Amino acid sequence: DQQVKQNSPSLSVQEGRISILNCDYTNSMFDYFLWYKKYPAEGPTFLISISSIKDKNEDGRFTVFLNKSAKHLSLHIVPSQPGDSAVYFCAASVSPPFSGNTGKLIFGQGTTLQVKP
Amino acid sequence: EAQVTQNPRYLITVTGKKLTVTCSQNMNHEYMSWYRQDPGLGLRQIYYSMNVEVTDKGDVPEGYKVSRKEKRNFPLILESPSPNQTSLYFCASSSRRPLGVGEQYFGPGTRLTVT
Repeated sequence: DQQVKQNSPSLSVQEGRISILNCDYTNSMFDYFLWYKKYPAEGPTFLISISSIKDKNEDGRFTVFLNKSAKHLSLHIVPSQPGDSAVYFCAASVSPPFSGNTGKLIFGQGTTLQVKP
Repeated sequence: EAQVTQNPRYLITVTGKKLTVTCSQNMNHEYMSWYRQDPGLGLRQIYYSMNVEVTDKGDVPEGYKVSRKEKRNFPLILESPSPNQTSLYFCASSSRRPLGVGEQYFGPGTRLTVT
């Protein structure tokens, strides 16, 4: 049962344009969401997060939007740069008291972003 | 430099030969975790540790053991590796945040092949 889904395996955009990566989740108990970026032969690196009490969080070129009613989040990258080419994972977790504070992150399958010069 | 290190980075072994993958972090993080990444499945949690001597199972713990004798180290032990444990393994660490575990910092990964 895939609780976090990234339905687009890949995305290609032109440099300078907006990249929009999407993520859907099924567990309504999730209340903390994160995006990670992964380059080949490296571990994932944290990009940005959002708590369920917010619907938007911005950090430089990266903005995450959360639509709780649709159980959907998205990552916007504006403007996209060739260095942004990587695999992007969304992840979700449940904060205590419901989870027993396991800290477990449930990851999506990942979306490969290619930004063309 | 704040980092999570893993050793070895690449390992090819045979079925049944015990192995240990080490993980160490220098950020004084309480929380550490092991994940495996397989094609089409994203990252799945194997074991986690909330602090020294406190460990618990994640989603896919079968065939793995861990220990947390020191805060900085969290080794992953495969007592009798099997081919279905061929995967890419990541160690992660995090500090606590008020309502749970903070953003997790990942190591570079260990590519394990079991023949």
